[in-house]
Amino acid sequence: AQSVTQPDARVTVSEGASLQLRCKYSYFGTPYLFWYVQYPRQGLQLLLKYYPGDPVVQGVNGFEAEFSKSNSSFHLRKASVHWSDWAVYFCAVSPTYTGNYKYVFGAGTRLKVIA
Amino acid sequence: VTLLEQNPRWRLVPRGQAVNLRCILKNSQYPWMSWYQQDLQKQLQWLFTLRSPGDKEVKSLPGADYLATRVTDTELRLQVANMSQGRTLYCTCSADLLGASSYEQYFGPGTRLTVL
Repeated sequence: AQSVTQPDARVTVSEGASLQLRCKYSYFGTPYLFWYVQYPRQGLQLLLKYYPGDPVVQGVNGFEAEFSKSNSSFHLRKASVHWSDWAVYFCAVSPTYTGNYKYVFGAGTRLKVIA
Repeated sequence: VTLLEQNPRWRLVPRGQAVNLRCILKNSQYPWMSWYQQDLQKQLQWLFTLRSPGDKEVKSLPGADYLATRVTDTELRLQVANMSQGRTLYCTCSADLLGASSYEQYFGPGTRLTVL
């Protein structure tokens, strides 16, 4: 069965510092992978997506993620964090057959940005 | 551009009472509609995907019973009953395309339910 693990429940970084949020997945084959962000009291917004191809994908607001099949990972990165990035970040894996939208989400990583 | 509207946005639900939620699709190019629940610990869980008017499904999970109905091409409903803990329900939509882009899901703003 597919699963997603985000090993860090909480991460605190200084504004301007670099960021990496970790995501490990379990899936038979090569999955489709997504990162979503949830700002306080809001819904989820798609940050970026991975479909088989270039392992490094670019997203919005300077975020990027790197897919590694050997490590079963899809880590999210940002070179310089801004205070507005304070949010909860979710990694998700999607089945790759038509008509199935049953994403499996990780538990989320709560990012706190300090001055 | 807003793809989905959800109403109500929040509701206080007396214990034992059912509540009905609506999700309205604003762009017919994204006809695959789904429901997800997010519990108080922020864990997200897929509930249903309904494509065609008339589709119905039921599901019982810890803390709530659900009945989902695809009413029209643009309206999805969810009845939540026997809720014992608060949660937020999100509807999503996806494009009716071939290929990888069809797997992107876009989330509505959510309906937050609190048990009285």
